[in-house]
Amino acid sequence: AQSVSQHNHHVILSEAASLELGCNYSYGGTVNLFWYVQYPGQHLQLLLKYFSGDPLVKGIKGFEAEFIKSKFSFNLRKPSVQWSDTAEYFCAAFGNDYKLSFGAGTTVTVRA
Amino acid sequence: DVKVTQSSRYLVKRTGEKVFLECVQDMDHENMFWYRQDPGLGLRLIYFSYDVKMKEKGDIPEGYSVSREKKERFSLILESASTNQTSMYLCASGTSYEQYFGPGTRLTVT
Repeated sequence: AQSVSQHNHHVILSEAASLELGCNYSYGGTVNLFWYVQYPGQHLQLLLKYFSGDPLVKGIKGFEAEFIKSKFSFNLRKPSVQWSDTAEYFCAAFGNDYKLSFGAGTTVTVRA
Repeated sequence: DVKVTQSSRYLVKRTGEKVFLECVQDMDHENMFWYRQDPGLGLRLIYFSYDVKMKEKGDIPEGYSVSREKKERFSLILESASTNQTSMYLCASGTSYEQYFGPGTRLTVT
């Protein structure tokens, strides 16, 4: 069965620090990959997505993610975080079975 | 703008009641999803549908059923609500390339 795992449950950073959140998926077929963010009290919103082509994808608010097929990974990165990046981040995968599966989420707290 | 709307933001029900959660999307999407979101567990897929009258079980379908009679509407049904179904319920619609989420319904079962 398709599954998505996120490595970190809670990450605490200072402003200007670099962020990397790990995501691995287990699915052998074609899969589309996503990172979503949920700011406190707000809807889930899409940060970035990967379907094909350049494995390094750029999203909103300075985020990027790299798809490494050999490692079944899609890690999220941001070179310098801000206090406003405090949120919960979810990795998700959509496969040929029409399922959109999510990881358990990583809470990121950025200290000013 | 794509809109996914859910019938209620907050709902309080008693144990044993039948509960309907409604979701409507306005983008003619084929796929629709129901999730529950719990702290530390992320989003867990309850049911999904890739066409009218089609439904597939997700990862945690026990205690739930769904209905999709029209393309734009996907309903989640709790036949007999229990306290362990207290949660935030999120509906989504989309394609394989893009999904949109509703605001969520926070259901409390007492």
